[in-house]
Parts: sequence; structure tokens; C-alpha cells
Amino acid sequence: QITLKESGPTLVKPTQTLTLTCTFSGFSVSTSGVGVGWVRQPPGKALEWLATIYWDDDKRYSPSLKNRLTITKDTSKNQVVLTMTNMDPMDTATYYCAHRRFRLTLDSWGQGILVTVSS
Amino acid sequence: DIVMTQSPDSLAVSLGERATINCKSSQSVLYNSTKKNYLAWYQQKPGQPPKLLIYWASTRESGVPDRFSGSGSGTDFTLTISSLQAEDVAVYYCHQYYSTLSWTFGQGTKVEIK
Repeated sequence: QITLKESGPTLVKPTQTLTLTCTFSGFSVSTSGVGVGWVRQPPGKALEWLATIYWDDDKRYSPSLKNRLTITKDTSKNQVVLTMTNMDPMDTATYYCAHRRFRLTLDSWGQGILVTVSS
Repeated sequence: DIVMTQSPDSLAVSLGERATINCKSSQSVLYNSTKKNYLAWYQQKPGQPPKLLIYWASTRESGVPDRFSGSGSGTDFTLTISSLQAEDVAVYYCHQYYSTLSWTFGQGTKVEIK
């Protein structure tokens, strides 16, 4: 059974850097074809894909946020970390991490963490 | 980016009736070498994460009731709920994973009971 859980600060100030950790079980991010992605959802709005990291350490970022995002993985800890710099109130959202199935897309999702950006 | 546009934004359907949601992509998501459409549908209920319903445009995820079906190819896709149940009230999103450089989602369609 695949499970994922997001952790990190729920309140950040404008201009600060957000660091979120996705801790997972039931799979290894070193298995061929597997990946972990991040998606966010502002309150009442649509889903927005942010980034995905793959088993071979290939990384893909949303073009509109590429300059602010970094995704890394720690295979030994079963964790994937997303950092987003220069946070703005418009970045207030629930941030989800999710498992990427071999040759497919995101299938299992964490419960999400609501991050509020406010001074 | 491939832009995904859903219609309608919301719809109200009577219990037991059919619900149909459309999704149009700004470019084809059909990969010629595999003959597969890189299109998925998710269901999101209030306070919950999205749940994968359909992938490859028409393949139901394990455990998804067969009243949910997906169809379409290229740029035009449809999610159909053949007989709406109370537990199907949710927001539904289409999602393309064709472009490995940038995945995108539709804006969502809210399904309610009439």
C-alpha cells in the first residue's frame, strides 16, 4: 500500500523560502519508472502541477515557476523535498505530493498541507 | 504549455441520470508511437486529495465503479457518469501527461445533484 504525507510550515512570510517534505512508504523512488510529483491548489481553485522527480534523478518543473522551485530526493529516507523561494500571498495553497506510476502519471496522493503566506 | 479546457464549469444532474463532462486540449495528447492518449481524469471531493479515476483516456483505475467511463482521442475527451449517485458529488479534473516538460490540469467541473 502506497502512502504519502506532506510536512512543513503552515505559515510563511512573504519573501521567505518554503521547504516541504514528502515522506512516503510502499514504494522506492529508486525503482525504475517511479517518480514523485508536487501539485498545489489555492483555496477554491484548480490543481496546478509544480514539479516531478524521477527514479533516475531527472527533474521537471512548471515553466512558470521553474526559477523558484527545487526538487530533491533522499532515497534512503523515502523522502522528496520541494523548496520554493520568494513566497508571495498568491502562493497560499494546499500542497500535495503524489506517486508517479511507471509510464503513467500521479496515482496515489498525500492528504496535502495548507500553506498560508502572510506577514 | 498544453492548455486543458473543461466544459461546463458546473452541472447539476438528477440522481440516476447521466452526467457528461468535456475536456479539450490545445494540442493533441495522442502519442503516435504508442497509440495512447496521455489523458487522465481525477475526482476530488471536498477536503480530500484528488483520486485517479481514468487514465489513457479510457482505462478505469482499479476499484473505480463502471458507471465512470472515459472516451475521446487527440484533443477532445469526455468523462461520463452513466447513473449519478450521491457519492459522485465532486469536482472532476482532466489532466494531460503527454508533455513530460509540463503537466497541466483543466480548471475543473463541479458536479452537483439537481
